[in-house]
Amino acid sequence: GENVEQHPSTLSVQEGDSAVIKCTYSDSASNYFPWYKQELGKGPQLIIDIRSNVGEKKDQRIAVTLNKTAKHFSLHITETQPEDSAVYFCAANANTGNQFYFGTGTSLTVIP
Amino acid sequence: DAGITQSPRHKVTETGTPVTLRCHQTENHRYMYWYRQDPGHGLRLIHYSYGVKDTDKGEVSDGYSVSRSKTEDFLLTLESATSSQTSVYFCAISGDGGSYTEAFFGQGTRLTVV
Repeated sequence: GENVEQHPSTLSVQEGDSAVIKCTYSDSASNYFPWYKQELGKGPQLIIDIRSNVGEKKDQRIAVTLNKTAKHFSLHITETQPEDSAVYFCAANANTGNQFYFGTGTSLTVIP
Repeated sequence: DAGITQSPRHKVTETGTPVTLRCHQTENHRYMYWYRQDPGHGLRLIHYSYGVKDTDKGEVSDGYSVSRSKTEDFLLTLESATSSQTSVYFCAISGDGGSYTEAFFGQGTRLTVV
């Protein structure tokens, strides 16, 4: 099955700085890569996603990049704000069985 | 928010007892999933369903069973609860793929086995 690795496990940044979270995947058949934000006591919320036919996608302060050759994808958050503090998960989906495989999460803290 | 309701939200049970968690969706999505979340492990797939009465195992299925008798309901049963099954359980739903591949999560059920 698919193996998704995520780094770093914890990340602290000053408010206004950028944050980058990186993930790798093992299954070359994976073609859909969502990112989730989880706040304390809540379920994961989809914040952005990218499909294998696209190299980059932006939505306001967040962007995701995908390198299919290297099997890497990354989440970029610019101009971080305290409300960005949460746990972020990357995931990969090979569409076969529509199963989602998740990274182990990154706890982001934005220091005011 | 996607229409996903998990019940109960919190439960404490004794070792050896059976426990059933319920996931109910109002989105008519084909796929439903049960995940468990533990520190250091992220979200791990227990079982999933791709239609009524169609289910399959995930990566951590031992000790769990599921049933889906209606499109909207997906039940997770711990046949004989153990302390290692203390966890937060999340239900998720997803469409048929293509533009509907997005997965949406419920609010979770915190289960404690004592």
